[in-house]
Amino acid sequence: GAVVSQHPSRVICKSGTSVKIECRSLDFQATTMFWYRQFPKQSLMLMATSNEGSKATYEQGVEKDKFLINHASLTLSTLTVTSAHPEDSSFYICSARDGGNQETQYFGPGTRLLVL
Amino acid sequence: QKEVEQDPGPLSVPEGAIVSLNCTYSNSAFQYFMWYRQYSRKGPELLMYTYSSGNKEDGRFTAQVDKSSKYISLFIRDSQPSDSATYLCAMGDQGGKLIFGQGTELSVKP
Repeated sequence: GAVVSQHPSRVICKSGTSVKIECRSLDFQATTMFWYRQFPKQSLMLMATSNEGSKATYEQGVEKDKFLINHASLTLSTLTVTSAHPEDSSFYICSARDGGNQETQYFGPGTRLLVL
Repeated sequence: QKEVEQDPGPLSVPEGAIVSLNCTYSNSAFQYFMWYRQYSRKGPELLMYTYSSGNKEDGRFTAQVDKSSKYISLFIRDSQPSDSATYLCAMGDQGGKLIFGQGTELSVKP
């Protein structure tokens, strides 16, 4: 199947700093990527949909100025958590949709963020 | 009411048992249905993907969809300890967004 990578896999930062997470589709072009957040023992909650070359579409309740998304190429999307606070600590997962199959999403391995 | 309901478990079965995992949904606009497996601290892995009502089989896994009842199932035959994970159902409409169930935590005991 298609492979999606994320970097870093884990990050610990101090409150107030910004953290950038990269999501890459390694063997296919992804016109659309999705960013999810998952708290322990809970399901994936969609944060935003990222389309290459255009602004991201954020879900209700997600602050677009806090979670900056950039989808500069067909294989790379980035999520920047600005001025992170402890309540932002979570598991952030991206997925990419294969342009040839509009429904299937392939997920990255996730990034665990801990804000102290 | 959530759009997708899934019993979080945990579900514990002995090795070799048949496992049945289920989700119900309320949105009749959902057109495609997926099951993902997620190991602890990892991203979800696509297991099964189907459009229509009926059964779809892949090795030890069978996905079943009943659109009239808004009910989907995943069956795992001859379950193995390596199947121990959280199983998430997911559904999508024409817009392309997926809505996930809460996930069922499965433990297969040797």
